[in-house]
Amino acid sequence: QSVLTQPPSASGTPGQRVTISCSGSSSNIGSNTVNWYQQLPGTAPKVLIYSDDQRPSGVPDRFSGSKSGTSASLAISGLQSEDEADYYCAAWDDRVNGWVFGGGTKLTIL
Amino acid sequence: QVQLQESGPGLVKPSETLSLTCTVSGYSISSGYFWGWIRQPPGKGLEWIGTIYHSGTSYYNPSLKSRVTMTLDTSKNHFSLNLNSVTAADTAVYYCARGGSVGVPAAMDWFDPWGQGTLVTVSS
Repeated sequence: QSVLTQPPSASGTPGQRVTISCSGSSSNIGSNTVNWYQQLPGTAPKVLIYSDDQRPSGVPDRFSGSKSGTSASLAISGLQSEDEADYYCAAWDDRVNGWVFGGGTKLTIL
Repeated sequence: QVQLQESGPGLVKPSETLSLTCTVSGYSISSGYFWGWIRQPPGKGLEWIGTIYHSGTSYYNPSLKSRVTMTLDTSKNHFSLNLNSVTAADTAVYYCARGGSVGVPAAMDWFDPWGQGTLVTVSS
């Protein structure tokens, strides 16, 4: 049981827009920044969004992050086949005094 | 460009100690970022293990704290993870990672970059 809650799966067709949610509480998302990681099949995770809505250099602007209260979202527009991956949200938790992750969302491109 | 590479035994016996090293190239671990370990059991999600700063300050996952020790070796530019009294539940791919920013509180930081990961199996 993960501290942050994500849907286990999401899907879309090429060109569509998909949103992945991440629900937490006042001790994590509600008071700290949210980061999103993309894990392509067989590879290590890499940061996709940091500090709620910031994209590292090299990440396409098709990826965007947002946060409201104790929930966060990752939006991917103009879906491409190479976006098929697992996506994880993460945040610092003041009760744990460390990072907590969501259970991950497997994105399938139909 | 900073790169991280995990190394250590791929097989550990139950009740023994899992020891891994993360060798860093392209950046000095004695500088301002934090260094951390995250693991992923086969087919499952990510779990934060712990984080250590160049100052020596460390944070451990409460669920693992009694069994975890992390250290920095600045002379070899690597950092290490020891996890004792392992069971089959500790079988996972173990990743090392660096913090994403210098000078921000942990609560505002992130993991970037990551090593490629190393699979550790606990079995007799």
